[in-house]
Amino acid sequence: AQSVTQLDSHVSVSEGTPVLLRCNYSSSYSPSLFWYVQHPNKGLQLLLKYTSAATLVKGINGFEAEFKKSETSFHLTKPSAHMSDAAEYFCVVSDRSNDYKLSFGAGTTVTVRA
Amino acid sequence: GAVVSQHPSWVICKSGTSVKIECRSLDFQATTMFWYRQFPKQSLMLMATSNEGSKATYEQGVEKDKFLINHASLTLSTLTVTSAHPEDSSFYICSARVPSGGAVQETQYFGPGTRLLVL
Repeated sequence: AQSVTQLDSHVSVSEGTPVLLRCNYSSSYSPSLFWYVQHPNKGLQLLLKYTSAATLVKGINGFEAEFKKSETSFHLTKPSAHMSDAAEYFCVVSDRSNDYKLSFGAGTTVTVRA
Repeated sequence: GAVVSQHPSWVICKSGTSVKIECRSLDFQATTMFWYRQFPKQSLMLMATSNEGSKATYEQGVEKDKFLINHASLTLSTLTVTSAHPEDSSFYICSARVPSGGAVQETQYFGPGTRLLVL
């Protein structure tokens, strides 16, 4: 079965500084990996996805993530944080072992300081 | 594209009543939709997979008679919480899988969620 571990439950950054959200995955097959963002009392918005194409994936709002198979990691980065980036971020994995159902990480809360 | 809506966005009901939540794919047809539950400051928990024209598949520990799912068309799935109790209060989120040549690993797009409060 596949699983995801988000290494930080809470990340606090200053506006204009880089953001790094760490995610490690476990999968016995070729995984698809996703990052979703959830603002308070809202649904989830897809930031980016990896599905066995380019290992460096660019998403919306300046976010990008790099798939590293040797490290089983899929860390999310953004060079310059904006106040609107304050939200909950979920790293998600799916593979054929579970009919491609999504397995969610516990989430990382991002706080942006002015 | 790939917009999913939910209705209502929030609902308050009395204990013992039933509540229906709708999930619609607005600009695509979804043969498969999913229902999740999210407790405060926690991750999403998959409740069931809703397949158009067939019975839903429930995850272990989810009562199928408590949470009735109907996927009557390619754009609509409904979740009915029957005889709701305060412990059913939660944030319910649906998602729809965007079809792409029949491959099952397509991306899921999420609705905005429905907050249910049972008094």
